[in-house]
Amino acid sequence: AQSVTQPDIHITVSEGASLELRCNYSYGATPYLFWYVQSPGQGLQLLLKYFSGDTLVQGIKGFEAEFKRSQSSFNLRKPSVHWSDAAEYFCAVAPSSGGSYIPTFGRGTSLIVHP
Amino acid sequence: NAGVTQTPKFQVLKTGQSMTLQCAQDMNHEYMSWYRQDPGMGLRLIHYSVGAGITDQGEVPNGYNVSRSTTEDFPLRLLSAAPSQTSVYFCASSSGALSSYEQYFGPGTRLTVT
Repeated sequence: AQSVTQPDIHITVSEGASLELRCNYSYGATPYLFWYVQSPGQGLQLLLKYFSGDTLVQGIKGFEAEFKRSQSSFNLRKPSVHWSDAAEYFCAVAPSSGGSYIPTFGRGTSLIVHP
Repeated sequence: NAGVTQTPKFQVLKTGQSMTLQCAQDMNHEYMSWYRQDPGMGLRLIHYSVGAGITDQGEVPNGYNVSRSTTEDFPLRLLSAAPSQTSVYFCASSSGALSSYEQYFGPGTRLTVT
């Protein structure tokens, strides 16, 4: 079974600063990887996904993530954070073969943006 | 398209009461799932379905039942509510197709059990 770890519960950055949210996964092969964002009181919205190919994937709202097989990581980055990026961010992993294709979510990282 | 809809938005139950959380989607998605979200725990999968008539258990299925009689609907039943089931519940759907594989989430139901 797959699992995912988000080591940072909270991250605080200043508006305009760069951002990196960490995600590590455990799976026997290359999984399908996702980042979702949850604004306060809302459901989750997909930011980006990785299935195969280019290891740097671009998403919505200026986010990108890089898949590193050697480190079992899929970190989310943004070069300049806006106050509206304050939200909860979830990394998710789904099996690429067999299984239910239902993703497993990490515990989330809460992003706080200071003006 | 309404996407994924959930009712009710808020609910308060007494211990031992039963209720059904409703979930519907109008995107003709095969896959549907129920998650609960608790502080510091992220989203945990309760039950899921890969098509009408097919359901399976997730990580935390105890105390919950599901059925999938149609593609559109996937209700979650609490048989005898307990305070430990106080949580925010999200329903999600996806086409399961590799080209998409995106989960679409409903707005959530906030449940309090006293």
